[in-house]
Amino acid sequence: DIQMTQSPSSLSASVGDRVTITCRASQGIKNDLGWYQQNPGKAPKRLIFAASSLQSGVPSRFSGSGFGTEFTLTISSLQPEDFATYYCLQYNSFPHTFGQGTKLEIK
Amino acid sequence: EVELVESGGGLVQPGGSRRLSCEASGFTFSSYEMSWVRQAPGKGLEWVSYISRGGSDIFYADSVKGRFTVSRDNAKNSLYLQMNSLRADDTAVYYCARVPAPSPPDVWGQGTTVTVSS
Repeated sequence: DIQMTQSPSSLSASVGDRVTITCRASQGIKNDLGWYQQNPGKAPKRLIFAASSLQSGVPSRFSGSGFGTEFTLTISSLQPEDFATYYCLQYNSFPHTFGQGTKLEIK
Repeated sequence: EVELVESGGGLVQPGGSRRLSCEASGFTFSSYEMSWVRQAPGKGLEWVSYISRGGSDIFYADSVKGRFTVSRDNAKNSLYLQMNSLRADDTAVYYCARVPAPSPPDVWGQGTTVTVSS
């Protein structure tokens, strides 16, 4: 099975900051990676698919990059509504696997 | 409007069974693969299972293999998860999700809570 190691597990930042979250795959997954945002008590929301493709309706301050084993999600200028938990998901092979999550908190 | 609505959650005793349902609307259900994902209280997301459009290809997480069975009825626009031999660590919110393969899940239900406890 492919393991996804996500870092950091938590992050404190301020409105307007640029933040980066990383996911590393235990083996190559091409660009078969998605990023999700989850608010407490809510279902996950897809932000990015195919490592760098922005989901329709998602603000352009979100971007993704990477190929193979290392991937990043960047938020260029944090907004108040961005404080949430973020997960990566590899869908290259079964079983699909999520990263452990990154909780983004207000500093 | 594209929507997924899960049902069937509740309290079940260890060793018991439960069947979850997910009803789809607003899109052509038979044209999409589907997945189940769960989230234990205070924990991260865990992928559980996948079923192809026609139901011929099915995959499970190791943690549920042999105990859970995913199925679908395209005529009823519905996805199911039969859960047997339930354990305390199966306690979670269970989400169904639409999979626009080869992309990852894009539409999620609101979730249904399963609590395994005596």
